[in-house]
Amino acid sequence: EDQVTQSPEALRLQEGESSSLNCSYTVSGLRGLFWYRQDPGKGPEFLFTLYSAGEEKEKERLKATLTKKESFLHITAPKPEDSATYLCAVQAAGSGYALNFGKGTSLLVTP
Amino acid sequence: KAGVTQTPRYLIKTRGQQVTLSCSPISGHRSVSWYQQTPGQGLQFLFEYFSETQRNKGNFPGRFSGRQFSNSRSEMNVSTLELGDSALYLCASSVRDRPYEQYFGPGTRLTVT
Repeated sequence: EDQVTQSPEALRLQEGESSSLNCSYTVSGLRGLFWYRQDPGKGPEFLFTLYSAGEEKEKERLKATLTKKESFLHITAPKPEDSATYLCAVQAAGSGYALNFGKGTSLLVTP
Repeated sequence: KAGVTQTPRYLIKTRGQQVTLSCSPISGHRSVSWYQQTPGQGLQFLFEYFSETQRNKGNFPGRFSGRQFSNSRSEMNVSTLELGDSALYLCASSVRDRPYEQYFGPGTRLTVT
């Protein structure tokens, strides 16, 4: 059975304190791994798609990387506006377009 | 370009009633997926439609159903509501040439009392 596990569940950082969020996955035939950001009361906002091991994507202070077993979302010098829940999802071959989500990491960045 | 829109945004229903939620995808997007989000289970896939055909379905009881119209707009219906159906229902649409990237709407918050 496909599984997506995110850690830590919650993370509190000081502004400027860099860190990484982890997404471990087991899936039969990875079609893609996705990172989303979700603010309270809103739908998830698409950040990145990674398709193969070794791939990296960057956007502002965020950088996503992918290996055969896990993905990391690195946050460099975070700001309070980066506070949100970060969701990881995988799409497996044969699952159509269904996304299998992890439970998310709730990030709080304090000034 | 306008994003995914969902109506209504908030809904309160009583156990045993039924409810219909609506989703309008981004213009040009033909694939629409529905997800249920709860604090305990997180985001769970309900079903996905493309060109008015259901292509994939998650592990939800038959009380949950959906459809897609020729203009790609989609509706989902939940019959005989239970307290456990209280959740945020999210709709997502996909671009034709990037089928794996899904763009989510703001969701419909359903409360069953």
